[in-house]
Amino acid sequence: AQSVAQPEDQVNVAEGNPLTVKCTYSVSGNPYLFWYVQYPNRGLQFLLKYITGDNLVKGSYGFEAEFNKSQTSFHLKKPSALVSDSALYFCAVREPYNFNKFYFGSGTKLNVKP
Amino acid sequence: DGGITQSPKYLFRKEGQNVTLSCEQNLNHDAMYWYRQDPGQGLRLIYYSQIVNDFQKGDIAEGYSVSREKKESFPLTVTSAQKNPTAFYLCASSILRLRDSNQPQHFGDGTRLSIL
Repeated sequence: AQSVAQPEDQVNVAEGNPLTVKCTYSVSGNPYLFWYVQYPNRGLQFLLKYITGDNLVKGSYGFEAEFNKSQTSFHLKKPSALVSDSALYFCAVREPYNFNKFYFGSGTKLNVKP
Repeated sequence: DGGITQSPKYLFRKEGQNVTLSCEQNLNHDAMYWYRQDPGQGLRLIYYSQIVNDFQKGDIAEGYSVSREKKESFPLTVTSAQKNPTAFYLCASSILRLRDSNQPQHFGDGTRLSIL
């Protein structure tokens, strides 16, 4: 069965330090991978996506993600965290041929402390 | 700007009452989705629709109903059969063409439903 795992419910990091939010997936074929951010009482906002090609994808607000096919991972990264990055982050997967559904991870709450 | 509009932002339901959440999109997307989000949890799919007048149950459809009479609109009714409706409800849409299957979903800003 298709699944997306975000192993950490919460990640704490100091402002200015690098951050990583982890995501692994179990989906057949070569799926499309996405990261979203959610602020309180708001919908999900798209951050970045992996299609094929470069294993390091750059997205909005200085975020990037590293794709690793052998480990089936798509970790979200940022070189220098800001307090305003504190939010809930979701990893999502879309199958390439059964693309009417998206599979979401359980979310990771990022806390950036000043 | 194109986007998804959900209304109302906050909704209160009395015992035994049905309530309807509105979702409208002007992105010309074929597919629309309803998700439920509980505190500290991820998204659970309630219903989705790929085309007008057709929709499929998601993982937690019991106690909910939908309609898709127009491409732009996908309202969700929370019926009295849903015994624990308090949650944040998110509507989303996406393109359904194969050549665009690398495109993400777009989300509305949600409706928070509470029991009176």
